[in-house]
Amino acid sequence: SQQGEEDPQALSIQEGENATMNCSYKTSINNLQWYRQNSGRGLVHLILIRSNEREKHSGRLRVTLDTSKKSSSLLITASRAADTASYFCATDQVEGNKLVFGAGTILRVKS
Amino acid sequence: NAGVTQTPKFQVLKTGQSMTLQCAQDMNHNSMYWYRQDPGMGLRLIYYSASEGTTDKGEVPNGYNVSRLNKREFSLRLESAAPSQTSVYFCASRRGQLYEKLFFGSGTQLSVL
Repeated sequence: SQQGEEDPQALSIQEGENATMNCSYKTSINNLQWYRQNSGRGLVHLILIRSNEREKHSGRLRVTLDTSKKSSSLLITASRAADTASYFCATDQVEGNKLVFGAGTILRVKS
Repeated sequence: NAGVTQTPKFQVLKTGQSMTLQCAQDMNHNSMYWYRQDPGMGLRLIYYSASEGTTDKGEVPNGYNVSRLNKREFSLRLESAAPSQTSVYFCASRRGQLYEKLFFGSGTQLSVL
């Protein structure tokens, strides 16, 4: 079974609103990463948060990590139509050199 | 700068046929990965190679084999394709083991009839 599970599965918002996506995982991790995918293309890395960090910012992105709850959230502020994409969390597991992905959240930003 | 290159981009197979998906990276990365993506399932790890000369199974290795030909190339082979292997396949690589991001290829869309 997959390590990460995103919530919600799909999200539709208006341009300018904030979008929040959540990710839960099951095992111990070294870090958690968020990726974006446009229209079935290859994924692009957005941000990485280490297991000893609680919050990280990058431009309009804010990521939080709660290792006690095994969960993370990605906040996109002031969303734009160009943010329309699928977003995936991936956990870099303590055992094995591998990143395991969740099922993703489909974000649609309406202009 | 090509990054991660996958070939072919599209392929249609008949059940029972075999084929090899090719992946090459020009970033001098040590680790390489093969994922498959199915609707609503996200990406599932098939096999990975932490370094040249090593390969390990991921979440869904059955029906696949891999070869880390050299540091640049990591191929995925379907010996006897099945309709359940219809999917989009992504190759990815990264420099080291921890705290590194993945770089993805553009994918191979495979249909098995």
